[in-house]
Amino acid sequence: EVQLVESGGGVVQPGGSLRLSCAASGFSVADTYMTWVRQAPGKGLEWISVIYTAGNTYYADSVRGRFVISRHDSNNALYLQMNSLRAEDTAVYFCVKNVGWELFDEWGQGTLVTVSS
Amino acid sequence: EIVMTQSPATLSVSPGERVTLSCRASQSIGTDLAWYQQRPAQAPRLLIYGASNRDNDFPARFSGSGSGTEFTLTISSLQSEDFAVYYCQQYNVWPPAFGQGTKVEV
Repeated sequence: EVQLVESGGGVVQPGGSLRLSCAASGFSVADTYMTWVRQAPGKGLEWISVIYTAGNTYYADSVRGRFVISRHDSNNALYLQMNSLRAEDTAVYFCVKNVGWELFDEWGQGTLVTVSS
Repeated sequence: EIVMTQSPATLSVSPGERVTLSCRASQSIGTDLAWYQQRPAQAPRLLIYGASNRDNDFPARFSGSGSGTEFTLTISSLQSEDFAVYYCQQYNVWPPAFGQGTKVEV
């Protein structure tokens, strides 16, 4: 059974940093594309980053240059390093397993990041 | 970037009714269109992919159709567990993009 469990969310001041983790089980993160999607309170879904099996990484304009996606194959985990956080980054962050290219077949329960002074 | 537009924003219906949700892409995406269901306080779940292929976890009352720029999600007879927000998403052109969602409520 595929499971994705996010952690690392919390309250951080504007300009601060936070690192999200996603523990995967039931499959290998090294063998599939992995994505982060976020959802601001009461809002819709926003794709923010993907890491491909070859290690290529891509970002939405809203986070490029501030966020870094990575994975640790032996830990079977996905990460999102978030720097220079802004109020508009406040959201639930979902770790997502891709099937094929940019189709999302398994989602974690999400972790809440609140950027506030 | 492709913009996905869903309508209506909110749909007020009763159990047993037939429901039709619409999704429009700003340019042609073939059939690279997915639908997700998100119940309150839960993560989204993949419902439909390839515009019309239903995920095994969902019953046959859910169906998807369309191609190009116009897509539809139909629920033939709404059940209580179907009250949720439904998002469409295109995966034809990078970056992938979601619609703003349609909330199906009582």
